[in-house]
Amino acid sequence: SQTIHQWPATLVQPVGSPLSLECTVEGTSNPNLYWYRQAAGRGLQLLFYSVGIGQISSEVPQNLSASRPQDRQFILSSKKLLLSDSGFYLCAWRGGLGNTEAFFGQGTRLTVV
Amino acid sequence: AQSVTQPDIHITVSEGASLELRCNYSYGATPYLFWYVQSPGQGLQLLLKYFSGDTLVQGIKGFEAEFKRSQSSFNLRKPSVHWSDAAEYFCAVGDGGNQFYFGTGTSLTVIP
Repeated sequence: SQTIHQWPATLVQPVGSPLSLECTVEGTSNPNLYWYRQAAGRGLQLLFYSVGIGQISSEVPQNLSASRPQDRQFILSSKKLLLSDSGFYLCAWRGGLGNTEAFFGQGTRLTVV
Repeated sequence: AQSVTQPDIHITVSEGASLELRCNYSYGATPYLFWYVQSPGQGLQLLLKYFSGDTLVQGIKGFEAEFKRSQSSFNLRKPSVHWSDAAEYFCAVGDGGNQFYFGTGTSLTVIP
């Protein structure tokens, strides 16, 4: 069966420090991969999605970037964190287009101090 | 562009009472609609989904949702709420392509 791993679960980082969040999927190939951010009271904001290795689409311009170095690996990065980057980050995958649902990781709670 | 609106930010119901969470979408074609539930500090779990066919869909944990094209709605219902249903609920729409959009969520509190 398919599983999705996301780490770390929690992270406290100072302003101006770099960020790297990793997400990996097992049990499937060529998934669509997504990064969402959930800020308090603001629901889920789609940050990036990827349909294949090296293919990244950005939904909202901001202080973050994403990369997909391998088929089942999706990384969210920042060179210099801002206080506003604090939030709950969720990785998700879909097995195809259209009517397929998204499956989520357990999330990373990022606090920038 | 596609969008999803969940008008109720927070709902409080008594245990055993019925529940309806509202979801309205904006999409030009037949949407793919989903409801997810999120427990505190956790990822999202799929409750149910609608693609086509019968407009009343059954999901896990006793939830159901009804697709109403004329009202652009996909409301989630449960006849009798349990204390364990307290969580955040998200409606989502897929556009048939790569993208997948969520509403802002409805927080459910269940009082004994």
